[in-house]
Amino acid sequence: KAGVTQTPRYLIKTRGQQVTLSCSPISGHRSVSWYQQTPGQGLQFLFEYFSETQRNKGNFPGRFSGRQFSNSRSEMNVSTLELGDSALYLCASSLAAHTSTDTQYFGPGTRLTVL
Amino acid sequence: DQQVKQNSPSLSVQEGRISILNCDYTNSMFDYFLWYKKYPAEGPTFLISISSIKDKNEDGRFTVFLNKSAKHLSLHIVPSQPGDSAVYFCAVSNSNSGYALNFGKGTSLLVTP
Repeated sequence: KAGVTQTPRYLIKTRGQQVTLSCSPISGHRSVSWYQQTPGQGLQFLFEYFSETQRNKGNFPGRFSGRQFSNSRSEMNVSTLELGDSALYLCASSLAAHTSTDTQYFGPGTRLTVL
Repeated sequence: DQQVKQNSPSLSVQEGRISILNCDYTNSMFDYFLWYKKYPAEGPTFLISISSIKDKNEDGRFTVFLNKSAKHLSLHIVPSQPGDSAVYFCAVSNSNSGYALNFGKGTSLLVTP
């Protein structure tokens, strides 16, 4: 079974631009979550989507947004990029079986550099 | 305010010995606990998990222990192998408020031959 895939793997943008990252979950997984990893803050939760609806959101500004499609694939968008947005963006998928033991499996991440 | 703490940024262990990685959390509402392993430039790989109704879970060389009263969990790797060298993240979640994972800052494990 294929794992979580993310595209692109690497991206370089300049301040003020916007960016869209894509994530394809494991087949059969219905929930997709996004995380940001930076050296200073570690891994931080951005948001979670299930059945095309944002179900949970972390403490990030409105410049960070996402969506989920009917096939469970997800995209996240960052508008008006800032230098501090440079990070590894990770997508994770889970079955969303609505149990407390729903394990999330991560993709390889997209490394975003903002110049 | 950090809800999950891994107080040892790094740990060095000899091959064949036991590696013990520790994690403390602050919120007693957390009910699912996971360990992930991460290599540079890769996403975290799920290792082992434990729910709050248990105090121990074992999978091969990996055992996770949960002490709810102390709000503490640990990962034991026995025996340690050089291939275990990686950064280990502890993650916790509260199923009653969504499945968002709260991560520790990680412990870098080095297993030397």
